[in-house]
Amino acid sequence: QKEVEQDPGPLSVPEGAIVSLNCTYSNSAFQYFMWYRQYSRKGPELLMYTYSSGNKEDGRFTAQVDKSSKYISLFIRDSQPSDSATYLCAMRGTYKYIFGTGTRLKVLA
Amino acid sequence: DSGVTQTPKHLITATGQRVTLRCSPRSGDLSVYWYQQSLDQGLQFLIQYYNGEERAKGNILERFSAQQFPDLHSELNLSSLELGDSALYFCASSVQGTGGVQTQETQYFGPGTRLLVL
Repeated sequence: QKEVEQDPGPLSVPEGAIVSLNCTYSNSAFQYFMWYRQYSRKGPELLMYTYSSGNKEDGRFTAQVDKSSKYISLFIRDSQPSDSATYLCAMRGTYKYIFGTGTRLKVLA
Repeated sequence: DSGVTQTPKHLITATGQRVTLRCSPRSGDLSVYWYQQSLDQGLQFLIQYYNGEERAKGNILERFSAQQFPDLHSELNLSSLELGDSALYFCASSVQGTGGVQTQETQYFGPGTRLLVL
């Protein structure tokens, strides 16, 4: 079993839709949870990070962490064609970073 | 622009050869991380250096090695290259890298080096 599981997609949604992206993980030692956005094989760009359980909002983006279920989510409101990219979840215990394989999102105009 | 630079952008070489990838971290960042990204494996952590010393090791092959120099730039050396080594290699940097508070651990990625082994 992989430490982090993420549906690769692709996920296609119409412009303006609410997008939900998810990851599950197996290691309860993970404390920090991040979401990165990666455009067409460029370097990943940090979108959100969260420590432990709870919600965090930044503009159109909301990150949720449920440590009891080992489940994290990223919600994108009012999605735009410019949001089309691959979204990677990432987690960290003490030193080790583990990335999901990424979900490819397409927002259709 | 994350402030992390990587050279070269593209590299084409043959099997059995050796290449060196270079990374300059953001100004003030002490940690450098190397990742390999291939189509079927996602982003794989290779190795981390903190202020010149190896801090953590991931799935790095014995044919690969890295170092961080006193000016904090880092090099990833790949030798005896195989077709399967073709991938994007990313470098990331963070302020710290000692397992501390998150704001100092946030990784910023460079644009990557695309390696093609023929």
